[in-house]
Amino acid sequence: GQSLEQPSEVTAVEGAIVQINCTYQTSGFYGLSWYQQHDGGAPTFLSYNALDGLEETGRFSSFLSRSDSYGYLLLQELQMKDSASYFCAVRAPGGKLIFGQGTELSVKP
Amino acid sequence: DAGVIQSPRHEVTEMGQEVTLRCKPISGHNSLFWYRQTMMRGLELLIYFNNNVPIDDSGMPEDRFSAKMPNASFSTLKIQPSEPRDSAVYFCASSSTGNYGYTFGSGTRLTVV
Repeated sequence: GQSLEQPSEVTAVEGAIVQINCTYQTSGFYGLSWYQQHDGGAPTFLSYNALDGLEETGRFSSFLSRSDSYGYLLLQELQMKDSASYFCAVRAPGGKLIFGQGTELSVKP
Repeated sequence: DAGVIQSPRHEVTEMGQEVTLRCKPISGHNSLFWYRQTMMRGLELLIYFNNNVPIDDSGMPEDRFSAKMPNASFSTLKIQPSEPRDSAVYFCASSSTGNYGYTFGSGTRLTVV
């Protein structure tokens, strides 16, 4: 089976840096994805890591360590609009995504 | 592209009624996924299709749930009969081979009373 663990809530201030961790246990693993979801909205794709290391896309970066079954999403220069839920998701055999429970990020002024 | 289109956006129905949710994936995408989201269970994969063929329906909760994809541009998720515990937001998503990101539709918020 698959299970993913991520913190339920994180709070940070505008302009700060925040890291959202994700650990996973899966029977098959092709990569780790991150999605953002605003209240009442749909999940939107942020990043995908298939190999170990850091991937940077603007203010957001994502890291993966396959040997540790661990990844994180790093958000820099936080803005109020970054307040949302962030989900890690394992890409399993067949291409399906298994999602974690999500981390609710609150950015304070 | 208009993105993944789902209808209806909201559905309120009485227990025991049949509910049909619809999804039009992005043109050219060959994989389609149905997810259900609730506070308690998060985002659950119900079923997914590759090239219109159902690949894995192990997430479909009960025989009351069924899904079809008669062609590359249309899929339905049907609940018959519906129950209050089916109340959730149902998302459809699509992707293409080699593309690691899913595109989600806006979802259907289903309330069964």
